[in-house]
Amino acid sequence: AQSVTQPDIHITVSEGASLELRCNYSYGATPYLFWYVQSPGQGLQLLLKYFSGDTLVQGIKGFEAEFKRSQSSFNLRKPSVHWSDAAEYFCAVGAMGGYNKLIFGAGTRLAVHP
Amino acid sequence: NAGVTQTPKFRVLKTGQSMTLLCAQDMNHEYMYWYRQDPGMGLRLIHYSVGEGTTAKGEVPDGYNVSRLKKQNFLLGLESAAPSQTSVYFCASSYSIRFGELFFGEGSRLTVL
Repeated sequence: AQSVTQPDIHITVSEGASLELRCNYSYGATPYLFWYVQSPGQGLQLLLKYFSGDTLVQGIKGFEAEFKRSQSSFNLRKPSVHWSDAAEYFCAVGAMGGYNKLIFGAGTRLAVHP
Repeated sequence: NAGVTQTPKFRVLKTGQSMTLLCAQDMNHEYMYWYRQDPGMGLRLIHYSVGEGTTAKGEVPDGYNVSRLKKQNFLLGLESAAPSQTSVYFCASSYSIRFGELFFGEGSRLTVL
């Protein structure tokens, strides 16, 4: 069965520091992978997605993610974090059966110190 | 352009009461979904629809029913609410048959006492 693991429940970084959020997935075939962000009291917004091709994908708000098949990982990175990046981040994998059935990880809550 | 709108945004129910959450989208999307979000568990798919008049079960469908009588609306019903259904519910819609972007509503917080 498909699954997504986000090992870090909470992460705190200083503004201007670099960020890496980890995501590991379990999937039998080539996965479709996503990162979504949820600001407090809001719905989820797509940051970036990987379907195929270049394993380094760029997203909105200066985020990028790298697909590593050998490690079953799709980690999210940002070179310099802004206070407005404080939010909860969800990794998701496209599930078998199509119809946009996404399996979400439990999320990583990011706090940013000034 | 409102996107995906959920009503109500907050609701408190007593055990055994019934209610309906309404999701409306104005993007002409074929696919619509209901998720629930619980602390430490991410989002879990309750039911989804691949078009007007169709519905299907997701990961956690028990205790919920849905209807898609109009393309733009997707209703989630609780016939007899239980405390285990206390959660934040998110509706989403999508234009693509395979893994396009999901557009989410702002959520509906339901508390069952």
